[in-house]
Amino acid sequence: ETGVTQTPRHLVMGMTNKKSLKCEQHLGHNAMYWYKQSAKKPLELMFVYSLEERVENNSVPSRFSPECPNSSHLFLHLHTLQPEDSALYLCASSQADTANYGYTFGSGTRLTVV
Amino acid sequence: RKEVEQDPGPFNVPEGATVAFNCTYSNSASQSFFWYRQDCRKEPKLLMSVYSSGNEDGRFTAQLNRASQYISLLIRDSKLSDSATYLCVVKPSGGSYIPTFGRGTSLIVHP
Repeated sequence: ETGVTQTPRHLVMGMTNKKSLKCEQHLGHNAMYWYKQSAKKPLELMFVYSLEERVENNSVPSRFSPECPNSSHLFLHLHTLQPEDSALYLCASSQADTANYGYTFGSGTRLTVV
Repeated sequence: RKEVEQDPGPFNVPEGATVAFNCTYSNSASQSFFWYRQDCRKEPKLLMSVYSSGNEDGRFTAQLNRASQYISLLIRDSKLSDSATYLCVVKPSGGSYIPTFGRGTSLIVHP
């Protein structure tokens, strides 16, 4: 596998469920990101893991919790979500300390909360 | 002023037309710049980096104007397949690695 792989591609979950999104990158990058993209809205940064530090958007509710066990894997744990959390969740990776180096996205997980 | 601003469009152009998008950024210390393309319900994909001297890739030309703090994307001879949203991305300097994405400019190329 190459690039950034996200699973599952689609997820439907109830508001009381607990689920996890998975992201894996095979590019040797040292930074990984979670983004949320709601319909007709811009990308919203949720969390960043890079160079062993974590940065988070303070507006992200605690029902989303990230986990980054190593530089190649990133998880987003979901619990007691709300219908407004339905969106496309995108994982990305990059080489944090290199100028002119872009970001590679996974195909995303399309989440529907019912 | 927003960090990165783009005209959301849509830009509705006929096939073969030339179209240009601008993107302004507020942080004068920004280091790297990119244009991404996002198709409907798909992930963003890197279209091209933007270099200080300007750069071209086939029908696409990107330019950077640091004095006025904007980047541009010019598409010549538009194809139907160019229809997408084009995202401007600014990467800061000073050791920060968190990019700022613009809201995107929607392009619709019609026959």
